[in-house]
Amino acid sequence: ILNVEQSPQSLHVQEGDSTNFTCSFPSSNFYALHWYRWETAKSPEALFVMTLNGDEKKKGRISATLNTKEGYSYLYIKGSQPEDSATYLCACNTDKLIFGTGTRLQVFP
Amino acid sequence: GAVVSQHPSWVICKSGTSVKIECRSLDFQATTMFWYRQFPKQSLMLMATSNEGSKATYEQGVEKDKFLINHASLTLSTLTVTSAHPEDSSFYICSARLGQLGNTIYFGEGSWLTVV
Repeated sequence: ILNVEQSPQSLHVQEGDSTNFTCSFPSSNFYALHWYRWETAKSPEALFVMTLNGDEKKKGRISATLNTKEGYSYLYIKGSQPEDSATYLCACNTDKLIFGTGTRLQVFP
Repeated sequence: GAVVSQHPSWVICKSGTSVKIECRSLDFQATTMFWYRQFPKQSLMLMATSNEGSKATYEQGVEKDKFLINHASLTLSTLTVTSAHPEDSSFYICSARLGQLGNTIYFGEGSWLTVV
């Protein structure tokens, strides 16, 4: 059974703070790691797909890194804004996509 | 990004009846579609994977006769919950992928099912 773990479960930060959270996954049979941003009542929005060890991807103030040898990925948000408030999900792709439980981020103005 | 539409967003049905949820890829042809279920405070749990024109592959513990999945075209997959019971009440969400393993997977908005 493939377990994908995310930490922390929830996070409250002040506007302007930078933050990061972790996704850990078994490194065997790894193909890709996906990050999603999920706002209430909307579809999960695809942020990144990463496949190679050492991959780093960036989209505006959000970036992610991948370490497939040790089985973890970090998501970073620089200068958090209230509109960044959402649940951030990671998912590990072997022959199927297995999700973590998500990190719920709340950014206070 | 690509758009996946799921309908209905909310449905309430009586125990013993069947309910169908549709998942459509609006601007791309989805080679593979996935159905997930989420219970409160838990992660999205994969129920089944379907490829267009072939039978769905169900995850262990998911009853294929209860959760009927049809993927008749490259843009439409349906999940039918047959003889629904209150314990089937949950959040169901579909996703679709174009092409190969490792490509981006796009999600619908999800459907809340309540069985009374």
